[in-house]
Amino acid sequence: EPEVTQTPSHQVTQMGQEVILRCVPISNHLYFYWYRQILGQKVEFLVSFYNNEISEKSEIFDDQFSVERPDGSNFTLKIRSTKLEDSAMYFCASIYASPNTGELFFGEGSRLTVL
Amino acid sequence: GENVEQHPSTLSVQEGDSAVIKCTYSDSASNYFPWYKQELGKGPQLIIDIRSNVGEKKDQRIAVTLNKTAKHFSLHITETQPEDSAVYFCAAVTGTASKLTFGTGTRLQVTL
Repeated sequence: EPEVTQTPSHQVTQMGQEVILRCVPISNHLYFYWYRQILGQKVEFLVSFYNNEISEKSEIFDDQFSVERPDGSNFTLKIRSTKLEDSAMYFCASIYASPNTGELFFGEGSRLTVL
Repeated sequence: GENVEQHPSTLSVQEGDSAVIKCTYSDSASNYFPWYKQELGKGPQLIIDIRSNVGEKKDQRIAVTLNKTAKHFSLHITETQPEDSAVYFCAAVTGTASKLTFGTGTRLQVTL
């Protein structure tokens, strides 16, 4: 069964450092997402990406965040200068068509710990 | 924007009993309501969904109901089993928006 894969599974970094989280969405999917989940809290939308550009972003997704699809398979989330409050599980997700058409597939997540 | 509330935050049932989780949403333009199950250390996985033109949907032991007038929807799990233990999230999609808005989650514990 096709799946969304994410790397690394866990990253520990010092405050102020740059972090790149990587995702390989399902190959024929067209919409890509990053969500985050602070420990014990709900899953929060960060950004959606379609046709090589951001289609929507949340208030959380400020200038410290950026996304990129550098080639035909990878989808990355970069945090330029990490803060303690960026510590969370980051989930990549993808779907073939718009999100009200069916299942949004999530990866297993990348846990980011900022010290 | 859309706001989704979910209750209860924790739910403990005995194996074989039923479990009900309820969500309300704020935006009447929301038209798609998926439910996700999240097991420890894993990403959310879709278990059932319902669209705004349908009032109820069932898949084996799982059912979802939608009341558009009241803007609430519920997940029903019958004959619960220990493997149903997980965190369950409801979500809503508004119109042609490109995102899911999640509820706050319900930790379901099925005890023997």
